[in-house]
Amino acid sequence: NAGVTQTPKFQVLKTGQSMTLQCAQDMNHEYMSWYRQDPGMGLRLIHYSVGAGITDQGEVPNGYNVSRSTTEDFPLRLLSAAPSQTSVYFCASSYFLSGNTEAFFGQGTRLTVV
Amino acid sequence: EDKVVQSPLSLVVHEGDTVTLNCSYEVTNFRSLLWYKQEKKAPTFLFMLTSSGIEKKSGRLSSILDKKELSSILNITATQTGDSAIYLCAVGSGYALNFGKGTSLLVTP
Repeated sequence: NAGVTQTPKFQVLKTGQSMTLQCAQDMNHEYMSWYRQDPGMGLRLIHYSVGAGITDQGEVPNGYNVSRSTTEDFPLRLLSAAPSQTSVYFCASSYFLSGNTEAFFGQGTRLTVV
Repeated sequence: EDKVVQSPLSLVVHEGDTVTLNCSYEVTNFRSLLWYKQEKKAPTFLFMLTSSGIEKKSGRLSSILDKKELSSILNITATQTGDSAIYLCAVGSGYALNFGKGTSLLVTP
């Protein structure tokens, strides 16, 4: 029972570097999303996908790209890391579009940009 | 713009106390309201509410939705130190799950 798997768990980047946070789910969920969590801010939606080949922006999309080539995978790319992107990132998946909005979360990636 | 507001933002209680956490929302195309508990890592699911007035219970935790007042409460009775966590309220609307800022609960022995 893997559920939602995120890698890496921790990452330190230098300003300007790029990287990809990986997210995979094995529950055949059509809906996947990325959130960032900052102290006192709750979870803010970055990007989401309602199925393979379909993505859209959330509340805080600037500086991030996503793609969804398969149902299982939804990577998040940071194009040119900035200190403001220091945060904890969570990937989530659900049967959202089918009416069950319960989101299953990965264990998170703690990213520090120096 | 969709909005989910939780109150209080933080709370300190003694073991054995009963607490009530609040969540209010303003969203278009409401689908559901969810409660999550977050300790050190990922949020874990507690309840999903879609119908007004129907209480959901799990042990010492219970929750109810009031669609007329656009709000929900999460009750925890006979609190224990293990209840210390951030409690997140989220509202499903359109294609998004919108989260409040959370209530940080500390239960002291």
